[in-house]
Amino acid sequence: SQQGEEDPQALSIQEGENATMNCSYKTSINNLQWYRQNSGRGLVHLILIRSNEREKHSGRLRVTLDTSKKSSSLLITASRAADTASYFCATAPKDSNYQLIWGAGTKLIIKP
Amino acid sequence: NAGVMQNPRHLVRRRGQEARLRCSPMKGHSHVYWYRQLPEEGLKFMVYLQKENIIDESGMPKERFSAEFPKEGPSILRIQQVVRGDSAAYFCASSPGLPGQGVSEQYFGPGTRLTVT
Repeated sequence: SQQGEEDPQALSIQEGENATMNCSYKTSINNLQWYRQNSGRGLVHLILIRSNEREKHSGRLRVTLDTSKKSSSLLITASRAADTASYFCATAPKDSNYQLIWGAGTKLIIKP
Repeated sequence: NAGVMQNPRHLVRRRGQEARLRCSPMKGHSHVYWYRQLPEEGLKFMVYLQKENIIDESGMPKERFSAEFPKEGPSILRIQQVVRGDSAAYFCASSPGLPGQGVSEQYFGPGTRLTVT
């Protein structure tokens, strides 16, 4: 069953603005991962944050994790048209050593 | 190092026919996952395989669907007697280790889009 829930479902912003997406989950996790999917293509791994980490950066991406609230956020700074895609969070639950549980995604549209 | 490869990219089958989807994981990866995605939806886990072993097939319908990952060759997802509801994108992902241990991400292929007419 899907436990990750992204919020919002869709987000449309102007190029250059920052985009923030949130993910909530239900069970204890080993790590949480964010992926991007361009229309009609496979998913691309963006960033992995472990349960004992609170924040992680990669280029224009910043991910936070709050295990007490069971939530994570993905911030994309200075957005570009090429950032238009769907973004998914996936959690690796503690009671499984191989599964990733996927959310339904946030559709991000960057207007030029 | 080639990425995860899937073929065919597009597959059209009539109701009742068989669909065979192939996935070659990244070199050095021995863990393969199959997912299904309907339009505008997230990924639904189907099956997790290691070489010659099905580890978890809890997300796969018990009838008509089967998967294998032989010692030699690609992983195969087979759908027998396809129905219109099987139309979807099927993605394969590979991993070098066990993601639940907090070290591995999954690498995805481009997907196979199955259309049942």
